[in-house]
Amino acid sequence: SAVISQKPSRDICQRGTSLTIQCQVDSQVTMMFWYRQQPGQSLTLIATANQGSEATYESGFVIDKFPISRPNLTFSTLTVSNMSPEDSSIYLCSVEAGGWNTGELFFGEGSRLTVL
Amino acid sequence: KQEVTQIPAALSVPEGENLVLNCSFTDSAIYNLQWFRQDPGKGLTSLLLIQSSQREQTSGRLNASLDKSSGRSTLYIAASQPGDSATYLCAPYCMNYGGSQGNLIFGKGTKLSVKP
Repeated sequence: SAVISQKPSRDICQRGTSLTIQCQVDSQVTMMFWYRQQPGQSLTLIATANQGSEATYESGFVIDKFPISRPNLTFSTLTVSNMSPEDSSIYLCSVEAGGWNTGELFFGEGSRLTVL
Repeated sequence: KQEVTQIPAALSVPEGENLVLNCSFTDSAIYNLQWFRQDPGKGLTSLLLIQSSQREQTSGRLNASLDKSSGRSTLYIAASQPGDSATYLCAPYCMNYGGSQGNLIFGKGTKLSVKP
């Protein structure tokens, strides 16, 4: 398993500003994932971040809006840029850490973002 | 396109009851399937992981089954307790979707309330 810490746990932001969410894992992992959960909805994958390479974004998500950094094997950041009220969501960091090739994913506590 | 449906959307039971949560998915080409628990405003806690070659997994009072050919999984909770109250999410890991090597596709969950 893995222990995943996210900061901030919650924030209230003004329209047009940007916020960076941090994700720290207690062990080295190859793949880190960022998900979004909009109010009343289920989770949607934003992007996959591998250390040393550009993040891979899913359909509907672009790097200019959600830039991601992955400087080492235990840390990643997601920035939500030029925020609008539609960006109000829980953003979750996830890693694959359940043992070799199991594909088991573990999640952080999430960062609840409210945009006014 | 993989679609995941969870039935019922909400369930309220008295303490002590055994209950079954249902999950169905449209594409059987999955790598594994995970069940998660999500408490209000929180991240996800991994409950059980079933590999595509397995039929079921058990952890304590929880038992999850998988019938990949029919696109179904069930989560059985024995002797339910008020502390089991949460939203339960089913997520098959699909190899054929997304820009990354794979993608967890989430259902909208079953919101469980166990009354004392």
